[in-house]
Amino acid sequence: GESVGLHLPTLSVQEGDNSIINCAYSNSASDYFIWYKQESGKGPQFIIDIRSNMDKRQGQRVTVLLNKTVKHLSLQIAATQPGDSAVYFCAENYSHTGRRALTFGSGTRLQVQP
Amino acid sequence: GAVVSQHPSWVICKSGTSVKIECRSLDFQATTMFWYRQFPKQSLMLMATSNEGSKATYEQGVEKDKFLINHASLTLSTLTVTSAHPEDSSFYICSARSTSGISTDTQYFGPGTRLTVL
Repeated sequence: GESVGLHLPTLSVQEGDNSIINCAYSNSASDYFIWYKQESGKGPQFIIDIRSNMDKRQGQRVTVLLNKTVKHLSLQIAATQPGDSAVYFCAENYSHTGRRALTFGSGTRLQVQP
Repeated sequence: GAVVSQHPSWVICKSGTSVKIECRSLDFQATTMFWYRQFPKQSLMLMATSNEGSKATYEQGVEKDKFLINHASLTLSTLTVTSAHPEDSSFYICSARSTSGISTDTQYFGPGTRLTVL
């Protein structure tokens, strides 16, 4: 079936470096994507989203890039801080089917070394 | 804005008992709420979609008679785990989708409820 997956299960970076978390999706009909951050024992926290009619969107210290040609999504975190350590999930939605639920990827753990 | 709360944050119950978990959107109205389950070190798995004023839509493999969902208002959905068993122990997370604003596709998540069934 359709799925959203991640290339790397764990990413370790030095504090101050930039982080890039990748996500591959298989449903070419997906038109909305979200990145969530989940800290241990907590619910997912919205980071940034992007629609399929865009290829880049920037937030505060974060940028999401969407490449529809290869069905690839990435999250870039600038000047990574220890507080960024968490598991990051990408999620996709294919709203044209009427199903408004999200499909989550398997997650990437980001570890920031001081 | 877009705050979702859950109650309780954790619960321990005996096998065979029922547990109710509440999900509230505190500063916005949500016609649709979602219930997810997450096992340790795994991703979120959608259990059901809860629509205000109508029956919930359950994902394949989720027993609707075991996981009762009620969405009585635009700010409250409840999940009741009936006759709980140890295998139901998990982290249950709800999310809510706003009825207005720039994006009605964005889901905001609650803090989760840790259920342990003894």
